This record gives sequence, structure tokens and C-alpha cells, in this order.
Amino acid sequence: AQTVTQSQPEMSVQEAETVTLSCTYDTSESDYYLFWYKQPPSRQMILVIRQEAYKQQNATENRFSVNFQKAAKSFSLKISDSQLGDAAMYFCAYLWGGATNKLIFGTGTLLAVQP
Amino acid sequence: DTGVSQDPRHKITKRGQNVTFRCDPISEHNRLYWYRQTLGQGPEFLTYFQNEAQLEKSRLLSDRFSAERPKGSFSTLEIQRTEQGDSAMYLCASSLPSGVFAGNTIYFGEGSWLTVV
Repeated sequence: AQTVTQSQPEMSVQEAETVTLSCTYDTSESDYYLFWYKQPPSRQMILVIRQEAYKQQNATENRFSVNFQKAAKSFSLKISDSQLGDAAMYFCAYLWGGATNKLIFGTGTLLAVQP
Repeated sequence: DTGVSQDPRHKITKRGQNVTFRCDPISEHNRLYWYRQTLGQGPEFLTYFQNEAQLEKSRLLSDRFSAERPKGSFSTLEIQRTEQGDSAMYLCASSLPSGVFAGNTIYFGEGSWLTVV
């Protein structure tokens, strides 16, 4: 069974600094997708960034980038120039590339941004 | 486009009562998903519809749970004979026909909080 592990329940970063959130996953599949979702206090889950496993290049979206290490089954999120609005719960998620549409989420990392 | 809409946002019910949640997906999204999220945990998949067909159900979806999407638009999630363990946030999400594989995103609603007392 596929699992997603986020070992950092809480993280804190100073405004304008950089922070990295960790995520590891376990799967025997070769075709899959990985995501980072942000869940602010309003509770609406928002997609931050996605990575296709077949792509070697790490995905980037403005201040957000990932470090995808397929062999190590690691998928970390780097947030550069942190802003107060980045404060939220961040979830790492996995999706198998087969027929299922089931996202498997980690337990989340609560990010606090200090002014 | 108003996004995925869920109603009610909060529901407090007594144990043993039935509750129903409604989800209105983004228009033109033919895929609709239900997830459950408890405090301190990530969302867990419950079920998935493509148009009106319920194509996948999790083992988490006990016999007391039933989801429908009768006309392929809005969906309802009913919980019968609620138990305290049902207390959670129920998240609805939707996506375009190609799902996520063609680059489409799964969009989530703000969730419906259920408290069973």
C-alpha cells in the first residue's frame, strides 16, 4: 500500500527567509504524481505545486519549488522569500498513475511565518 | 466561477440522527470526490464519481454512508445513525474530465464540519 509521511508536524520561518518542508512516500509503482497542497485557516485546500514522477526536472512555481529524489522517495517543498500569507497547513499527497483518482495525503506540516 | 461549494459549512447533530451534506462542483467538472479529514490528519478518500456513476468507494465508507450524484451535477453525502466517530470535516472536490493526468487540478471546497454529540 502506498503511504505518505510528513515527519515535521510544525515548522516556523521568519518573513523573507526560506523554509523546506519534508515528505517521504512509499510505493512500488513507477508511474505516479506528487503534490503539495496548502490549507489556510479558511480550510480550503489549494494546490501549490505538482510533480510527475517520470520528469527528472524539479517543478517550480514562483517562490515554491520541490526537490524530488525518486530513488530516495523524497519530495520536499522549498518556500523562498516567505510571506505572512504562506502560514498554513501544508499537505504532501500522492496519486498513482493508474485508474484510481485517489489522492493519498500525509498528516501535514503546520507552517508559521514570523514577522 | 465560484469554485466548489459545500453546504452546510457546520453541522452539530445528536448521536443517532441522520445528516446530509451537499456539494456543488465547479461547472463542467464531471469528476467529483468526497474526502474526510479529522483533526491532525490529512484528508482520506471516501468516494469518487464520474458524471452520475460512482466508480470507486473506500472501505471507510461504511453501510451508514451513502453518496449520490443523480444528475451528474451536485452530489449529496448522507450519514445515517451518526456516531461520535463520524465527527470530522467532509471535503468535496472536483476536476475536469481528464482528471489530474492531463494536467488538470483537483479543486477542493471549504468543507463541511460535522460534530456528533
